[in-house]
Amino acid sequence: QSALTQPASVSGSPGQSITISCTGTSSDVGSYNLVSWYQQHPGKAPKLMIYEGSKRPSGVSNRFSGSKSGNTASLTISGLQAEDEADYYCCSYAGSSTPVVFGGGTKLTVL
Amino acid sequence: EVQLVESGGGLVQPGGSLRLSCSASGFTFSSYAMHWVRQAPGKGLEYVSAISSNGGSTYYADSVKGRFTISRDNSKNTLYLQMSSLRAEDTAVYYCQTRIAAHIDYWGQGTLVTVSS
Repeated sequence: QSALTQPASVSGSPGQSITISCTGTSSDVGSYNLVSWYQQHPGKAPKLMIYEGSKRPSGVSNRFSGSKSGNTASLTISGLQAEDEADYYCCSYAGSSTPVVFGGGTKLTVL
Repeated sequence: EVQLVESGGGLVQPGGSLRLSCSASGFTFSSYAMHWVRQAPGKGLEYVSAISSNGGSTYYADSVKGRFTISRDNSKNTLYLQMSSLRAEDTAVYYCQTRIAAHIDYWGQGTLVTVSS
């Protein structure tokens, strides 16, 4: 049940693009197209931003996009805005014995 | 409107017990698996436990296995987490969560459990 690996922090200026990586293994990220990304503002519950690797729920800005290559998933936020400053978590299905594994989280700072 | 409302958190001494509840409304509770996810102060999300829609199948993270018990009462639209032998490292905000479709995901507001003497 090892956590997925995310960078502790990333930053960018308004209008720029940033990418957050999420590295797992062939038992989780690499085996399933079931990576989700969550955004969490301080004191709030997580909000689903990306599901099934690259799909956006209704209401999520198209500035958010997801992708995967091998055992690494990525979240890209384009046209950074101040309200994007938050913590971001990836999670992946990892099989019936370990349904969900989370990444350690990445703090996004908008400079 | 879907609502998940957790309750039962509080201060408990190491070795003590606590039962969390999650009251659900706005969807057919009995049709969906339910989950508990926790977040220690200043830390990341940790998947704790899950239960199938009819309660027949459960999952526990290694960190809580043998100490926590997840259950549900579909007649009361309520999810539970019975926690025993609590440790300082169990201190966290506990969220209940469900996903009723791949793109539709709901979380409660969380309830804080503090394990301290």
